[in-house]
Amino acid sequence: GEDVEQSLFLSVREGDSSVINCTYTDSSSTYLYWYKQEPGAGLQLLTYIFSNMDMKQDQRLTVLLNKKDKHLSLRIADTQTGDSAIYFCAESIGNTDKLIFGTGTRLQVFP
Amino acid sequence: DTEVTQTPKHLVMGMTNKKSLKCEQHMGHRAMYWYKQKAKKPPELMFVYSYEKLSINESVPSRFSPECPNSSLLNLHLHALQPEDSALYLCASSQALGSRAPYEQYFGPGTRLTVT
Repeated sequence: GEDVEQSLFLSVREGDSSVINCTYTDSSSTYLYWYKQEPGAGLQLLTYIFSNMDMKQDQRLTVLLNKKDKHLSLRIADTQTGDSAIYFCAESIGNTDKLIFGTGTRLQVFP
Repeated sequence: DTEVTQTPKHLVMGMTNKKSLKCEQHMGHRAMYWYKQKAKKPPELMFVYSYEKLSINESVPSRFSPECPNSSLLNLHLHALQPEDSALYLCASSQALGSRAPYEQYFGPGTRLTVT
């Protein structure tokens, strides 16, 4: 199947790091993505990683990719209340532009 | 301008109505997408247009009819919908199709559709 799994909910204190995990299915995915969705809004691309990379850092965001285990994670350093949202990982299917989104993780940041 | 606009923001329609959702972008993107997102679920791809031609149809029922009249506009015509079609309909655009680069998909805010 094409299920991309994420844990449903994560709660962190402001200033701490958040780690959101994702398990994907298609080993031929060229790129893997992290999107953010705030309430009532569309999706915003946060970052992506090419499938032959292990890690990518982009300011407060660090993406780790374990291709053997098909595991992707997003670490947000110094998490702020404005980071509260739903985070979706997504994989591109083979060499297509079709994105399969994960089940989504709701991140709640408390002061 | 990196904005994708969608109208209307909210739509309530009966099962016998015909309505249309509209999406517009002025970024010069040549690929445009329709997604359906049910509550507390991830977006699911419905259609992809590339250079104004339908490229992907994810086996969507014919009561949903997409149209791309020009490179900036994407419509979704709705007819004889069912209550289970109630969802957030998201439009997105990207520079092009092709896996050589991760062409970022820019999403609109969506149209929240309720079918009564």
